[in-house]
Amino acid sequence: EDQVTQSPEALRLQEGESSSLNCSYTVSGLRGLFWYRQDPGKGPEFLFTLYSAGEEKEKERLKATLTKKESFLHITAPKPEDSATYLCAVNAGTASKLTFGTGTRLQVTL
Amino acid sequence: GAGVSQSPSNKVTEKGKDVELRCDPISGHTALYWYRQSLGQGLEFLIYFQGNSAPDKSGLPSDRFSAERTGGSVSTLTIQRTQQEDSAVYLCASSRQGLAGASAYEQYFGPGTRLTVT
Repeated sequence: EDQVTQSPEALRLQEGESSSLNCSYTVSGLRGLFWYRQDPGKGPEFLFTLYSAGEEKEKERLKATLTKKESFLHITAPKPEDSATYLCAVNAGTASKLTFGTGTRLQVTL
Repeated sequence: GAGVSQSPSNKVTEKGKDVELRCDPISGHTALYWYRQSLGQGLEFLIYFQGNSAPDKSGLPSDRFSAERTGGSVSTLTIQRTQQEDSAVYLCASSRQGLAGASAYEQYFGPGTRLTVT
């Protein structure tokens, strides 16, 4: 069964303090790893898809990377508006669904 | 363009009543998914539609849960005889194609329906 573990559960950063969020996964035949952002009371917002080890994608202050066992979401010089829960999900094998981790709750303070 | 929409945004019902939750996917998206998000837990897959058929219903927790999709568009998730453990946020997502093909397509989520069973 596909498993996704995210760490840390919660992270508090000061504005401008860069850090990384981790997503470890155990799957058979990865088809894609997805990062989403979720604000309170809203649905997840798509950020990135990564397909193979070594792949990297960037969007503004966010950069996602992928290895054969884990993915990192690097946040450079975060701002308070980056505060949200970041979710990692995988699709693998012949499954149609996404399997999600429980998320990292990020708070960025002034 | 318009994103995924869901209605109602909030639903409070008494234990034992039936509820219907609606999802309007992004126009042209052939795949539609329902997930459930309980407090402090990750998103839990419920059912997947490709067109009007549901090749994967493996996540439906009991026979009280059912879903249909008509016209390759709107989907309804029905929960019969609701129980308190059904309280959660029900999220709908759509994608260009299903994930069982050669590529994994990103899923776009709606805002969810918050269901509270009293």
